[in-house]
Amino acid sequence: KQEVTQIPAALSVPEGENLVLNCSFTDSAIYNLQWFRQDPGKGLTSLLLIQSSQREQTSGRLNASLDKSSGRSTLYIAASQPGDSATYLCAAYTGNQFYFGTGTSLTVIP
Amino acid sequence: EADIYQTPRYLVIGTGKKITLECSQTMGHDKMYWYQQDPGMELHLIHYSYGVNSTEKGDLSSESTVSRIRTEHFPLTLESARPSHTSQYLCASSEWGGLDTEAFFGQGTRLTVV
Repeated sequence: KQEVTQIPAALSVPEGENLVLNCSFTDSAIYNLQWFRQDPGKGLTSLLLIQSSQREQTSGRLNASLDKSSGRSTLYIAASQPGDSATYLCAAYTGNQFYFGTGTSLTVIP
Repeated sequence: EADIYQTPRYLVIGTGKKITLECSQTMGHDKMYWYQQDPGMELHLIHYSYGVNSTEKGDLSSESTVSRIRTEHFPLTLESARPSHTSQYLCASSEWGGLDTEAFFGQGTRLTVV
């Protein structure tokens, strides 16, 4: 069964800093890897999706990379802002189900 | 913006009551899901559906039931609510089987059973 792990569980950085969130998965047979943002008490908002054949995707200050063979994905956030404070989750899609990590709780300090 | 809606957003209800959490999507997705999430914890899949008249149990044992009579509607029912059912319930939908298959989530229902 696919297992998805996210490290660190929590991260606190000063405003303006660049940061990297990590996601690892045990089975490389995935269709895609999706990154989400979750604000407290809310649902998940999709940020980026990387197909298995792709290496990276970019949206604004966000850049996600995928190394399927090593079972890893990273989310890079440039010039962090207090509004980026949230929990970030990754999900590996196997063609049938989505497998979610436990998330990284990010706090950006003004 | 995702077109998937959950109602109610918040619900406080007494033990033993029957409740139905509503989920609707306007994207025509065949596959729909219900997840349970406690604060700061991971998502647990409790039910999913491949399409009309299809319902399957997920990884987490749940005392809830679901139905899928229409493509756009996937309600979750608790016949007799208990305090242990207190949690956030998230509904999601997707197409399925494609490299670009993306999950779309509703805003969630925060359920408190007293």
